[in-house]
Amino acid sequence: KQEVTQIPAALSVPEGENLVLNCSFTDSAIYNLQWFRQDPGKGLTSLLLIQSSQREQTSGRLNASLDKSSGRSTLYIAASQPGDSATYLCALGSNYKLTFGKGTLLTVNP
Amino acid sequence: NAGVTQTPKFQVLKTGQSMTLQCAQDMNHNSMYWYRQDPGMGLRLIYYSASEGTTDKGEVPNGYNVSRLNKREFSLRLESAAPSQTSVYFCASRGQGNTGELFFGEGSRLTVL
Repeated sequence: KQEVTQIPAALSVPEGENLVLNCSFTDSAIYNLQWFRQDPGKGLTSLLLIQSSQREQTSGRLNASLDKSSGRSTLYIAASQPGDSATYLCALGSNYKLTFGKGTLLTVNP
Repeated sequence: NAGVTQTPKFQVLKTGQSMTLQCAQDMNHNSMYWYRQDPGMGLRLIYYSASEGTTDKGEVPNGYNVSRLNKREFSLRLESAAPSQTSVYFCASRGQGNTGELFFGEGSRLTVL
């Protein structure tokens, strides 16, 4: 059974800092990995999707990497802003199912 | 761009009552999903439908039934609600078979008294 762990559970940083969120998984037989953001009381918004054959994806200030051999993915956020404050979740896709981590709550302080 | 639409957004039920959560997507996606999200438990898959006419159990299917009415719509039914089913429910859809990007609705907050 796939297990997904996100560390740290919470992170507080000053505005402008570059930061890395971590996602580790136990089963490397995945189809893809997807990073989401969730604002309080809202649904999940897709940020980046990495297929199993890819090593990284970039969108604006976000860069996600995937290393299947070590069972790890990272989400790098450059020049963080208060508007980046949210919970960030990773999800591992295996066949038709996705397994989610419990998320990292990010607070960016002005 | 509607994407994935869920109704209702909020519902309060008494123990033993029944209700149906509705979900519709306008992205012509084949796969649709129902998740529940609880504090400390994360997102857990209840049921999914890989394509029109098929449904499969996820991680926590007990107490729920689903119907894939057509390609657009996937409903979740609670036949006899229990307090343990108090949660936020999310519908999601995905195109491109089992490798596409997953898109979520805004969620339905259900309280069972």
